[in-house]
Amino acid sequence: GDSVTQMEGPVTLSEEAFLTINCTYTATGYPSLFWYVQYPGEGLQLLLKATKADDKGSNKGFEATYRKETTSFHLEKGSVQVSDSAVYFCALKVVGGSNYKLTFGKGTLLTVNP
Amino acid sequence: EAGVAQSPRYKIIEKRQSVAFWCNPISGHATLYWYQQILGQGPKLLIQFQNNGVVDDSQLPKDRFSAERLKGVDSTLKIQPAKLEDSAVYLCASSQTSGTQYFGPGTRLTVL
Repeated sequence: GDSVTQMEGPVTLSEEAFLTINCTYTATGYPSLFWYVQYPGEGLQLLLKATKADDKGSNKGFEATYRKETTSFHLEKGSVQVSDSAVYFCALKVVGGSNYKLTFGKGTLLTVNP
Repeated sequence: EAGVAQSPRYKIIEKRQSVAFWCNPISGHATLYWYQQILGQGPKLLIQFQNNGVVDDSQLPKDRFSAERLKGVDSTLKIQPAKLEDSAVYLCASSQTSGTQYFGPGTRLTVL
């Protein structure tokens, strides 16, 4: 079946440090890939997405590139801020008929210290 | 534009009691989802509705969980009777057919 494996947390960084959160996937079809973010006490928010190989999703300084050859979608940011502290989820969606379910990884907790 | 609304935000019950959660999706979104997020894990789809029809409920424990979406708008998810392992955050999401899923704030359920 479909699955997502992402880097175990927690990850603790100092402000302005470089961030990478690894994500790899297995899928029965040709998936779209997503990163969602969950701030404390809030629901999941879409951070970025990519729908085909070599696409780069970007938002708020975060980037991720859809790598079909390595089945990966790693999240990166060049300079993190305290406000980026949250749980980050990698997810995929393989559309089968009218089934649009998202399959999520376990999440990675990021804490950014001033 | 109003987001996905859920209530209650928190619920504490004893095992074997029943509980119900409510979700109001974004206006015009035909597809509605219920996910279960157990602590330390990613959300897992319980059920997907397209308008008021069920598309996928393969992960819904049907002996205790039920869900409905009357009139293709609001939805309720019920657990009866609850077990300790049902303690989780229940997330509702909606989308325009296969588009981006927008999530509500969730209901945190604690079963004692």
